[in-house]
Amino acid sequence: DTEVTQTPKHLVMGMTNKKSLKCEQHMGHRAMYWYKQKAKKPPELMFVYSYEKLSINESVPSRFSPECPNSSLLNLHLHALQPEDSALYLCASSQGNRASGANVLTFGAGSRLTVL
Amino acid sequence: AQKVTQAQTEISVVEKEDVTLDCVYETRDTTYYLFWYKQPPSGELVFLIRRNSFDEQNEISGRYSWNFQKSTSSFNFTITASQVVDSAVYFCALSDYGGSQGNLIFGKGTKLSVKP
Repeated sequence: DTEVTQTPKHLVMGMTNKKSLKCEQHMGHRAMYWYKQKAKKPPELMFVYSYEKLSINESVPSRFSPECPNSSLLNLHLHALQPEDSALYLCASSQGNRASGANVLTFGAGSRLTVL
Repeated sequence: AQKVTQAQTEISVVEKEDVTLDCVYETRDTTYYLFWYKQPPSGELVFLIRRNSFDEQNEISGRYSWNFQKSTSSFNFTITASQVVDSAVYFCALSDYGGSQGNLIFGKGTKLSVKP
């Protein structure tokens, strides 16, 4: 079983809906990430939270709104999405310190989003 | 600019064959990290290896081995005696040494199909 849990696994929503993707980890990691992956493409970084603070926002449209309520949880709130936002959304976590160089990311299984 | 190239889009082999996945990278940094991740059909990215630019020793882990050559900017991955369970998309990735958190530069991935 993956140590990063994402729910729901599948989500279908209309362009006017509001929904949320959830991510949870209990490894004591202090950095959490959202990646977007379109079909047959590599993952693309969207957001990074470090010690519950947003540290990187890769120019993501405001219809995607991240939230980190505590060190174990990460949400991605979705509103007024477009069909081209349909993709696999991957959550990841890492230790969050740079003492040992680039952190190894542990990924969840993803939430597959379809926007109609 | 940083870039990772995986020239092989798809590879198909028969079980028990050896297979090598190529990865060539570009970076102006003198210190950096290289990674390989496996993405099975279930969707999650599974970490396989992290190698820093100081360490050019080849590494072997069971049926997996990695050949890092700074002179050719390559970090190739070999699976010996492939199995059906090895079928997945494999991503090579690059990160700067400071670990700009989550900012992995991924290659486009190589889809490996192992047939029985």
